[in-house]
Amino acid sequence: QKEVEQNSGPLSVPEGAIASLNCTYSDRGSQSFFWYRQYSGKSPELIMFIYSNGDKEDGRFTAQLNKASQYVSLLIRDSQPSDSATYLCAVNPPGGSYIPTFGRGTSLIVHP
Amino acid sequence: DAGVIQSPRHEVTEMGQEVTLRCKPISGHDYLFWYRQTMMRGLELLIYFNNNVPIDDSGMPEDRFSAKMPNASFSTLKIQPSEPRDSAVYFCASSPTSGISTDTQYFGPGTRLTVL
Repeated sequence: QKEVEQNSGPLSVPEGAIASLNCTYSDRGSQSFFWYRQYSGKSPELIMFIYSNGDKEDGRFTAQLNKASQYVSLLIRDSQPSDSATYLCAVNPPGGSYIPTFGRGTSLIVHP
Repeated sequence: DAGVIQSPRHEVTEMGQEVTLRCKPISGHDYLFWYRQTMMRGLELLIYFNNNVPIDDSGMPEDRFSAKMPNASFSTLKIQPSEPRDSAVYFCASSPTSGISTDTQYFGPGTRLTVL
């Protein structure tokens, strides 16, 4: 059973702080990892993907992957109230399948 | 491109009625997915198609659910008869197949279904 685990939150951070969102997965051979943002009442939208160990930065967002420990994280620097949303972690399994397993998401609240 | 299009955006029906949800994927995308999202269970994959062919429907909860993709630009998800526990947001998503594992999914706006 493939599992992707996230703390449901809510994670509350002040504006300007760093928000750290974490995700663990059970399938050791997983290859690709995605972070989706979902605003209330809207559909998920991709914000980052990562497939190599280490860090990947895109603007205020940094994805971190540690395959040995089977976790992936998303850091949001200089958090803004507009970052308040649910963040879904998705993991592609090994074997060339492009069908991800989604976590249930972490709710982030950035307060002014 | 207009993105993934779903209709209707909201549907309210009574228990026992038939419900049909519609999806138009992004042109050129080979994969189409149907998801259901609830607070209790999160985002669940119901079924997906590759080149109009259903590949995995193991997520379809019961025989009351059926999905079709008669051509590359149209898919339907049907629930007959509907039950209150089917109330959820149903998302359609499509994905290209460029051959890399980082292909991402593009979600439609969703259909919010309420079964009374």
